[in-house]
Amino acid sequence: ELKVEQNPLFLSMQEGKNYTIYCNYSTTSDRLYWYRQDPGKSLESLFVLLSNGAVKQEGRLMASLDTKARLSTLHITAAVHDLSATYFCAVDPDNNDMRFGAGTRLTVKP
Amino acid sequence: ETGVTQSPTHLIKTRGQQVTLRCSSQSGHNTVSWYQQALGQGPQFIFQYYREEENGRGNFPPRFSGLQFPNYSSELNVNALELDDSALYLCASSPGLAAPYEQYFGPGTRLTVT
Repeated sequence: ELKVEQNPLFLSMQEGKNYTIYCNYSTTSDRLYWYRQDPGKSLESLFVLLSNGAVKQEGRLMASLDTKARLSTLHITAAVHDLSATYFCAVDPDNNDMRFGAGTRLTVKP
Repeated sequence: ETGVTQSPTHLIKTRGQQVTLRCSSQSGHNTVSWYQQALGQGPQFIFQYYREEENGRGNFPPRFSGLQFPNYSSELNVNALELDDSALYLCASSPGLAAPYEQYFGPGTRLTVT
């Protein structure tokens, strides 16, 4: 069964610091998604990674995908309070059964 | 361009009742997926519809059923509600089954079963 594991599950950061969230998955997939969710809100798409070695950046967030290691990372650079949210990774190898990780709850403190 | 919409926003039901949740896809999208998100957890895939046919199903019992209409709007029906069905129900639409595979999520329906 496809499993998606994120770590850490909880992350408290100081503003200005850097950190990386990891997403491991258990089966072959050349497609990985990152989403952001604010409390009580829906999911906002951050990145869609479609191939091995894919790297995408938006503002202070950068995501990468290593399909051979079955690993994706979401790197946060110089964190700011507005980045506080829950971040989910997800894989959908067959395009009809998207599996999400448990989420990383990020808190950025002044 | 209108985004994905869901109705109702909130709903309270009693155990054993039935509920219907609705989703309007983003314009031009023919694929819709439904997810259940319990408090503090990641979304769980329920099923996907592509051009009015079920195209995939997660590990949910048959009392969870769905429909997709010719205009690609969709319904999620849940019979014999249980307390554990309390969750945020999300639908997501996409323009098809080909790349870039991106899904656009609606605001969700918060279901409480008492």
